[in-house]
Amino acid sequence: KAGVTQTPRYLIKTRGQQVTLSCSPISGHRSVSWYQQTPGQGLQFLFEYFSETQRNKGNFPGRFSGRQFSNSRSEMNVSTLELGDSALYLCASSTNSNSNEQFFGPGTRLTVL
Amino acid sequence: AQSVTQLDSQVPVFEEAPVELRCNYSSSVSVYLFWYVQYPNQGLQLLLKYLSGSTLVKGINGFEAEFNKSQTSFHLRKPSVHISDTAEYFCAVSDAQGGSEKLVFGKGTKLTVNP
Repeated sequence: KAGVTQTPRYLIKTRGQQVTLSCSPISGHRSVSWYQQTPGQGLQFLFEYFSETQRNKGNFPGRFSGRQFSNSRSEMNVSTLELGDSALYLCASSTNSNSNEQFFGPGTRLTVL
Repeated sequence: AQSVTQLDSQVPVFEEAPVELRCNYSSSVSVYLFWYVQYPNQGLQLLLKYLSGSTLVKGINGFEAEFNKSQTSFHLRKPSVHISDTAEYFCAVSDAQGGSEKLVFGKGTKLTVNP
């Protein structure tokens, strides 16, 4: 089985631009979560989707948004980029069984200049 | 709300020595507990998890962890480390009551294994 894939792997943007990151979960996984990883704040939860519905949301401004499609693929969007948005964005998928075991992708490294 | 504290940000050890990475958590509800490892420029890989049952959990690569409810701890141990264990290790919790798979992570512990 293929793992979680994220595209692109690297992105460079400038302040004020917007960006869309993509995540393809493991086949059969219906739950997708997004996390932001920075040296200062560590790993922080952004949002979680299940069956195209946002099930949970972290404490991030409205510039951060996401969605999930009927094939469970997910995208997250960040508008009006700020320097502080530079981070590794990780996507994780799971079967939504009671094991809560999430499988992580390699991440998208976003640099905002 | 849940929180996770990893007591050591960096742990240097020599090859073949034992190691313990400490993790304490705080939660008003019952939790599931996890340890993940992250190698440079990679995502997170699950080492082991505690859901219920035996408090001693064995994971991959010879790691194990013990859940201590009274001390709200979930320390990770390995009796003999290898150079290849050099990585960053994250302790995480999630709500065991269901409805969400959100993970709350600690700040991480960088394990450096020296020859």
